[in-house]
Amino acid sequence: AQSVTQPDIHITVSEGASLELRCNYSYGATPYLFWYVQSPGQGLQLLLKYFSGDTLVQGIKGFEAEFKRSQSSFNLRKPSVHWSDAAEYFCAVAGFQKLVFGTGTRLLVSP
Amino acid sequence: DTEVTQTPKHLVMGMTNKKSLKCEQHMGHRAMYWYKQKAKKPPELMFVYSYEKLSINESVPSRFSPECPNSSLLNLHLHALQPEDSALYLCASSQVNILAGGSSYNEQFFGPGTRLTVL
Repeated sequence: AQSVTQPDIHITVSEGASLELRCNYSYGATPYLFWYVQSPGQGLQLLLKYFSGDTLVQGIKGFEAEFKRSQSSFNLRKPSVHWSDAAEYFCAVAGFQKLVFGTGTRLLVSP
Repeated sequence: DTEVTQTPKHLVMGMTNKKSLKCEQHMGHRAMYWYKQKAKKPPELMFVYSYEKLSINESVPSRFSPECPNSSLLNLHLHALQPEDSALYLCASSQVNILAGGSSYNEQFFGPGTRLTVL
C-alpha cells in the first residue's frame, strides 16, 4: 500500500530565507506525487505535481520540488520565503482512485 | 471555471437535526470526493463518486449519506451526528484517469470546505 511520510511536524523559517520541506513516499510502481498547501480554515490548493519526465518540477508561488527515486523523496523547496507562505503543507501520492496524504508540515515564518 | 464551491461555509447542528452539505463544480470532472479533516490532521477520504456512481466508501458510518444527483453536484446528507463528527468537510473533484493496474493520477481540485459543529 502507498504511504507518505513528512518527518517534520512544523518548521520555522525567517522571511527571505530558503525553505525545504521533506517528503518520503512508499509505492511499488512509478509514483504520481503532489504538494498541496492549506491556509487556516481553507481548502487545499495544488502547488505542483510530478507524473513523469523532468525530475525537477516547477509550481505556483515560486515553489519547486525534486523527485529522487533512489531516495523515495519528493522534497519541496522555495529560495526565498514570504510571510504569506505560512500555512500547512501536505505531500500526497496517488493511489487507486484516491490520494494518500502525509501528515503535513506546518510552516511558520518569522519576521 | 476552475472552482469547486461548497455551501454552507459554516454549519452548527444538534445531534437530532438533519442537514445537508452541497458541493458543485463545472470543470467537467467525473470524479467527486468527500473528505473529513480534523484540526492539525490531513484530510481523510470518506467517499468517491465516479461517473455519478459511488465507487469508494471508506467504512463511513451510515449517519453520513452521500448523493450525486448529476455530474456537477455532490451532496452529503447528515443525520443524528455526534459531537466527534465536528470537523472541516472538504469536497474535491478530478478527471477520471485510470491507468493499467488501477492506479490513477487524479489531480484533485478542492473546495474551501464546510466547517461543521455538532452540539
